[in-house]
Amino acid sequence: DTGVSQDPRHKITKRGQNVTFRCDPISEHNRLYWYRQTLGQGPEFLTYFQNEAQLEKSRLLSDRFSAERPKGSFSTLEIQRTEQGDSAMYLCASSFPGTSGSSYNEQFFGPGTRLTVL
Amino acid sequence: QKEVEQNSGPLSVPEGAIASLNCTYSDRGSQSFFWYRQYSGKSPELIMFIYSNGDKEDGRFTAQLNKASQYVSLLIRDSQPSDSATYLCAATTGGFKTIFGAGTRLFVKA
Repeated sequence: DTGVSQDPRHKITKRGQNVTFRCDPISEHNRLYWYRQTLGQGPEFLTYFQNEAQLEKSRLLSDRFSAERPKGSFSTLEIQRTEQGDSAMYLCASSFPGTSGSSYNEQFFGPGTRLTVL
Repeated sequence: QKEVEQNSGPLSVPEGAIASLNCTYSDRGSQSFFWYRQYSGKSPELIMFIYSNGDKEDGRFTAQLNKASQYVSLLIRDSQPSDSATYLCAATTGGFKTIFGAGTRLFVKA
């Protein structure tokens, strides 16, 4: 499978615990995005990377959230001291700049990690 | 706060009809626009993207963009029950940040 992969697919944790999710983008894609989606809403932008550089982070994201992409390939999203409000689907997407240098930024999504905080 | 607005629906159309989905965006700096389809419990799947004013057709799907009105639409011709899903509109700025709307639920009745 050459698509975006995410691990784990499901995570149940207790409030106050830390969790870490992993995303492996499509191999030639240099942009990687993290989103959070709750029921009845569209994906909410969290952050994105171009190669290993984190270029933007949502102001809505608290300091409990951190993301890394150390070698410009896979990425991790960590949530510290989880709260019940963190329960959501966490989606990763990747995109490729395009062969001509222009980019329309078509993003391809992984299957998501569903987090439940008890 | 830059926003993308969609009617949440549900939009119900009979099989074989044309479904028309609409979206407005607030950031005039938005450059590329996308329609994704999302089935319940699944992740979004890219259907089409558009970046120039006018129409873009791909099979049964036509995307329309009017930058002056900050309006994007998606037409689905010959709607099928398998088209029943939530359709997400998204806009990307020059900085490649992408904002999604809340989605429109579409039901195609057999």
